[in-house]
Formats: sequence, C-alpha cells, structure tokens
Amino acid sequence: AQKITQTQPGMFVQEKEAVTLDCTYDTSDPSYGLFWYKQPSSGEMIFLIYQGSYDQQNATEGRYSLNFQKARKSANLVISASQLGDSAMYFCAMREVLPNTGGFKTIFGAGTRLFVKA
Amino acid sequence: GAVVSQHPSRVICKSGTSVKIECRSLDFQATTMFWYRQFPKQSLMLMATSNEGSKATYEQGVEKDKFLINHASLTLSTLTVTSAHPEDSSFYICSARGSKEFFGPGTRLTVL
Repeated sequence: AQKITQTQPGMFVQEKEAVTLDCTYDTSDPSYGLFWYKQPSSGEMIFLIYQGSYDQQNATEGRYSLNFQKARKSANLVISASQLGDSAMYFCAMREVLPNTGGFKTIFGAGTRLFVKA
Repeated sequence: GAVVSQHPSRVICKSGTSVKIECRSLDFQATTMFWYRQFPKQSLMLMATSNEGSKATYEQGVEKDKFLINHASLTLSTLTVTSAHPEDSSFYICSARGSKEFFGPGTRLTVL
C-alpha cells in the first residue's frame, strides 16, 4: 500500500513566487517523522526540513515551511520566494519506527519535479 | 553537518562481473546504514538496512545473495552487486544514521 503520496509529478512556478508541493501519508504509528529532501540533477539528497508527529508547530527552515495537518495526514512543503536554483526534484519521506527493534525505516514518495521560471 | 561519502561515484562494468560500493561516515559513527536504489526519474527505494556487526535486513523483493552487504565497522558499509547484469544499472545511494539520517552522494552503476 502506498504510504507516501505526492500527486504532482511536475510543478512550474515563477521566480520570486511561492509554491506548495503536496504530500500525504498513511501510517498507524503514533510516532513518526516527516521529511522533505531536494535532489538536484547531481543526484545528492539534500535535507530541507523535518516535522515530528508530536510537534505542535509547523516546521520552518528559512524559505521552507511545512504545512503539517495531522488529522488530514498531509505534510505539504511551501517554498517562498522561489529562486532559479530551486529547480530540482523534491521528495517527501516518512520515517517509521520499527516494532521490536526500535530501529527505523524511511519511505520516500514518488517525487515532484519543480521548475522555476525566470 | 555530518558527511557521508560513497566510492566510487560512477562505475561502468561488464555483465557478469561484481562491483563493490563503499559508504563511509566521515565524522561520526553509524551503527546503522541504509542502502537505496533509484531508477531514472523515480523515487528512492530502500534495499536493505545494514547494522554494524550483524546481518543486513533486506526489503521484500531484494535478493540478498545478489546484493551483498557488509557493515564491518562503525564507519563503513559496503554493497557488492554480484554477477551484475544490465538491469542492475541504477543509482545507488547510502545513508548513515547519526543524530539524523545523512545521505551519501550516490554511485551511478552502469552494466554493459
């Protein structure tokens, strides 16, 4: 079953405008973490932002903010004041704690390719 | 931030040969490392969880005899693709668990 869903395969945004990348997730575990990563054409995964399931406030990191709606199981990424360098693939990911071992596993969504237009 | 390296960054090999990919945590000790595979224009798929000093835990559908994982020290995990075939061509990414999960830069494998 799909646990992380990113419904937008591609998105366009005008430079300097804000853009929202959608992410919904599915888990029965009360404790989990949600992440957003950026993957430019070089391939390296770049950590952007993290939201814990128990965090009361939405996470923010510079121009990135996470719109966490726990009841709806959504964790959308908002990028404000888009820049040309923001053009990349963006992945939403969820970390689940594994029962018995206490370890964890990270599951990635299919990704959204963002194109920033000049 | 913490640094994870992978070597080689790119490798081309002939079908039937084996290829070893190294993943190192440079400035922290990682009891757990993860190996992912990413096909072109697709997401990362977890292949296995590598635990220092014990056997790796493989995800469903991943052949453990084909993708050998060794986590001999707290800073090094290796993935060996045995008897590689063209369908094994992919981008392999490792990550290491420290205070957070830190990703390596990836290794692009091309099997001719």
